[in-house]
Amino acid sequence: DIQMTQSPSSVSASVGDRVTITCRASQVISSWLAWYQQKPGKVPKLLIYAASSLQSGVPSRFSGSGFGTDFTLTISSLQPEDFATYYCQQAHSFPITFGQGTRLEIK
Amino acid sequence: EVQLVESGGGLVQPGRSLRLSCAASGFTFNDYAMHWVRQAPGKGLEWVSSISWNSGSVGYADSVKGRFTISRDNAKTSLYLQMNILRPEDTALYYCAKDRGGNWLDFWGQGTLVTVSS
Repeated sequence: DIQMTQSPSSVSASVGDRVTITCRASQVISSWLAWYQQKPGKVPKLLIYAASSLQSGVPSRFSGSGFGTDFTLTISSLQPEDFATYYCQQAHSFPITFGQGTRLEIK
Repeated sequence: EVQLVESGGGLVQPGRSLRLSCAASGFTFNDYAMHWVRQAPGKGLEWVSSISWNSGSVGYADSVKGRFTISRDNAKTSLYLQMNILRPEDTALYYCAKDRGGNWLDFWGQGTLVTVSS
């Protein structure tokens, strides 16, 4: 199985900050990576797929990059509604696997 | 508007069975693969199973293989998860999710809670 490791596990930031979350796959997954946002008590929301494609309706302050084993999710200017937990997911091969999550908290 | 509504969760004893359902609407159900993803209380997301648009291809997490069976009824626009030999570690909120293509999950239901306890 492909293991997905996110870092950091949690991060504190302020409104307006630029934040980067990383995700590393245990083997090469090309661009088969997605990012999801989950707010407390809410369902996950797809933000980025195919490593860098923005899902319809997602604000452009979210961006994704990477290829192979190392990927990043960047939020260019944090807004109050962005404080949530973020998960990466590999879709290269079954079983599909998620990272453990990165909790983004208000500083 | 895409809607996915799960049902069938509840409290069940270890070793027993439960069948989850997901009623889909707002999109052409038989065009898309579907997935089940679960989330234990306070924990992260765990993919459980998926099924292709025509049921020709299915996949399972190692943790449920041999115990859970995914199926769909395109005529009823519904997805199912038959869960047998349930264990306490299966306790979680079970989400039904639509695959936009490429195993990217673009719409999720609100989930149905399964609690396995004696």
